[in-house]
Amino acid sequence: GAGVSQSPSNKVTEKGKDVELRCDPISGHTALYWYRQSLGQGLEFLIYFQGNSAPDKSGLPSDRFSAERTGGSVSTLTIQRTQQEDSAVYLCASVTSAYQETQYFGPGTRLLVL
Amino acid sequence: KQEVTQIPAALSVPEGENLVLNCSFTDSAIYNLQWFRQDPGKGLTSLLLIQSSQREQTSGRLNASLDKSSGRSTLYIAASQPGDSATYLCASTRAGGTSYGKLTFGQGTILTVHP
Repeated sequence: GAGVSQSPSNKVTEKGKDVELRCDPISGHTALYWYRQSLGQGLEFLIYFQGNSAPDKSGLPSDRFSAERTGGSVSTLTIQRTQQEDSAVYLCASVTSAYQETQYFGPGTRLLVL
Repeated sequence: KQEVTQIPAALSVPEGENLVLNCSFTDSAIYNLQWFRQDPGKGLTSLLLIQSSQREQTSGRLNASLDKSSGRSTLYIAASQPGDSATYLCASTRAGGTSYGKLTFGQGTILTVHP
């Protein structure tokens, strides 16, 4: 069946612009995670959704970052007033429910802020 | 705060060799430990998941072990092939309801298997 999809696959933006990154999880997966992979920091957790609510936002690096999930499905990660340090690969993962089995990752969105 | 370390950072071996990748973690209160593979420009593919109550898991030429008391996990790859070339990541999930299953990753081991 279909896996986790993310769009766009690549995004180049200018410093100060806003960007939206989209994640389509596997159908029926109630838990969704966003992670960021950067050269200096490795892979880091950003935010966790259970259904449409986000009980853990502890990894969001600043208030310029926000995320939402609608209909228990698609999630959007928004970065406002982008900075060069936001350049990274943003990965989304979904799973049937938290703690169960492994997380299934999408291919990621490669963000470059000039 | 959990810290996950992987050694070596990079490894280059000739085809056919057996090899071991190491992962250590500072907090033994884990729910599970997972090994992932990442190909260049791609997302992560799960290889093996070991629950905290288990000692090892096997899949084909891959075998992962877990020793919670010493905070270590190893990924053993038998008879390596050029197609095994990738970055291998280990990640742990902390036990406890407020961890929500989020993963803490090591920095990865870049494996190159040359013909």
